[in-house]
Amino acid sequence: DGGITQSPKYLFRKEGQNVTLSCEQNLNHDAMYWYRQDPGQGLRLIYYSQIVNDFQKGDIAEGYSVSREKKESFPLTVTSAQKNPTAFYLCASSQGWGRETQYFGPGTRLLVL
Amino acid sequence: GENVEQHPSTLSVQEGDSAVIKCTYSDSASNYFPWYKQELGKGPQLIIDIRSNVGEKKDQRIAVTLNKTAKHFSLHITETQPEDSAVYFCAASYNNNDMRFGAGTRLTVKP
Repeated sequence: DGGITQSPKYLFRKEGQNVTLSCEQNLNHDAMYWYRQDPGQGLRLIYYSQIVNDFQKGDIAEGYSVSREKKESFPLTVTSAQKNPTAFYLCASSQGWGRETQYFGPGTRLLVL
Repeated sequence: GENVEQHPSTLSVQEGDSAVIKCTYSDSASNYFPWYKQELGKGPQLIIDIRSNVGEKKDQRIAVTLNKTAKHFSLHITETQPEDSAVYFCAASYNNNDMRFGAGTRLTVKP
C-alpha cells in the first residue's frame, strides 16, 4: 500500500520541550515538504528537501529543524524556540523537483500542554 | 514571490446545485495550478490540476478553468452531493519552486 504516513496523529508538547514529527513515504519520491496549517489559513511552507542530505528553509522555518538522511524519511523537530507550535502539520512529497504534483500525508496535530 | 487569493471563504449550496470557487495569482510565470480537497482531520487530496498550456480540464463532475491573461482560475463542481462537503484549496506554482496555497473555501452541501 503506497503512500505517505505521518505519526503520531496527535502530539502533546510541554513547555521547553522539543518534539519530533515523523514522515515516511514509499513512493520513491525525491522531494519532500513540511507545511503548517492554522485554522482558516492556507498551508505555509516550513522546510523542503529536493534530495537526500539536502534541505532548504521555507517561509516559516524559525523554531523548526529537519533532516533528510534517507530518501523515504523527512522528520520535523519542533524546538522550544517555536513559541506558538499549536497547529496541524502536513508532510508532502513529489516525484522530483520540477514535477509539480505534491501528495500529502494525513497530518499530525500538535497541542501544547 | 507568488500570492494566491481564494474566494469565497465559505460556500453553502443545495444538493444538486453547482459550486464555483475562484482563485487569483500574482506571478505571471506560474504554470501549474492544482486543487486539493481536505476533509476534517485529514491531509489534502489532489482532485484536479491544470497546466498553463490548457484553458480547461474536466473530470466527471469537476472542472477547472484557467485565464492566464487575467491570472485567475476556477473550480467548478456540478451536481453537488453531501460528500463534496469539505475545505477546498487552490495553489499556484512555477515548476514547484514556490507552491503557494489559497486560504481555502469551506463548502457545505445541504441535503
